[in-house]
Amino acid sequence: SYELTQPPSVSVSPGQTARITCSADALPKQDAYWYQQKPGQAPVLVIYKDNERPSGIPERFSGSSSGTTVTLTINGVQAEDEADYYCQSADSGGTYRLFGGGTKLTVL
Amino acid sequence: EVQLVESGGGLVQPGGSLRLSCAASGFTFSTYPMNWVRQAPGKGLEWVSYISRSSSTIYYADSVKGRFTISRDNAKNSVYLQMNSLRAEDTAVYYCARESAVAGEYYFDYWGQGNLVTVSS
Repeated sequence: SYELTQPPSVSVSPGQTARITCSADALPKQDAYWYQQKPGQAPVLVIYKDNERPSGIPERFSGSSSGTTVTLTINGVQAEDEADYYCQSADSGGTYRLFGGGTKLTVL
Repeated sequence: EVQLVESGGGLVQPGGSLRLSCAASGFTFSTYPMNWVRQAPGKGLEWVSYISRSSSTIYYADSVKGRFTISRDNAKNSVYLQMNSLRAEDTAVYYCARESAVAGEYYFDYWGQGNLVTVSS
């Protein structure tokens, strides 16, 4: 089965750069997407099509990919960026949508 | 403004049934695929089901296949999730989510606020 693997947690100090990885168990050749979720709130799309930002998402959020790993990068992390982050993709046939296990970003 | 509002959650006994509804507004509902995604307490996101614009294509996660049924009514701008044979592990906040209208792009650009379903005796 196809899985997306994320580190459970990442910690950075304000102003530093946070990098959250998402590894694909296999390469389905689908794009990856990223969501931010704060406690008690619905997820919010922050990156789509590997490195596109929806309207209203700050420029400090960016995405990249290399082989079977995609990375969410947050430059100049702010306290308000503390949240859970999830990667998401689909299987090669576009049938199953799936999420990574999530990464808790802590701003020290 | 795009809005998705879920309703129909609550407490149900194991083996019971529940029907979730999601009312959409602020966009042309019939032109977007829709999904249900759930999140168990303290856990991560889990995709549950997908329905295409015209209901011609439907997919389910293996964990709910045969027990849950997704449907939509484009005249009422609504998507539904009929949940039967509920188990304790189905306890979660259920979100409806709009999927990209572009074929081959599978991201969820708008989400509802979520609706809690608790399966317990």
